Amino acid sequence: GAGVSQSPRYKVAKRGQDVALRCDPISGHVSLFWYQQALGQGPEFLTYFQNEAQLDKSGLPSDRFFAERPEGSVSTLKIQRTQQEDSAVYLCASSFVGDGYTFGSGTRLTVV
Amino acid sequence: TQLLEQSPQFLSIQEGENLTVYCNSSSVFSSLQWYRQEPGEGPVLLVTVVTGGEVKKLKRLTFQFGDARKDSSLHITAAQPGDTGLYLCAGVRIGGAQKLVFGQGTRLTINP
Repeated sequence: GAGVSQSPRYKVAKRGQDVALRCDPISGHVSLFWYQQALGQGPEFLTYFQNEAQLDKSGLPSDRFFAERPEGSVSTLKIQRTQQEDSAVYLCASSFVGDGYTFGSGTRLTVV
Repeated sequence: TQLLEQSPQFLSIQEGENLTVYCNSSSVFSSLQWYRQEPGEGPVLLVTVVTGGEVKKLKRLTFQFGDARKDSSLHITAAQPGDTGLYLCAGVRIGGAQKLVFGQGTRLTINP
């Protein structure tokens, strides 16, 4: 596609529910990144893939967070047993090696 | 502690005025990028600077990378209401692979 596509755009989850957030990167982009953005703040790094390999997951806040990119294209960020502090916008970005990032519009997660 | 410190965090000025936003760090970056983010959207890349001392211009916006590659600035001349938004600096640290770290952002409001 022309841009990075994220779905759903909005997600409301009850505390304790599991959620799955999808990212469809630009075709051919090798690198894929997930960021978490709290209201009024800059994005915080969560994890990074190069093709299907997860090269850095140092930003994942806890073992409730899990990301995968099994075929090197679409990626899913899964959050188990959601908690209120997980409420944020989750941004996905992709890039070709050495280029700037292209971000999706994000998924706004609200945990109630 | 934020790796990249942006200042000011909030700025509200009148149309036609000039302004400068700063992005500072004690770390050295292989490249620094500036993004602009609108409400409900992901950040959009404005510019990438890679060489110490580099200056890039984008219409009324001037971006500078510090000589030591630890800081950057964004200067806007004759600001217009359309410049309103969240401005984010982000950098790739030396040895940081492609991991982009963001500042906390500067929320700019241009009043007509």
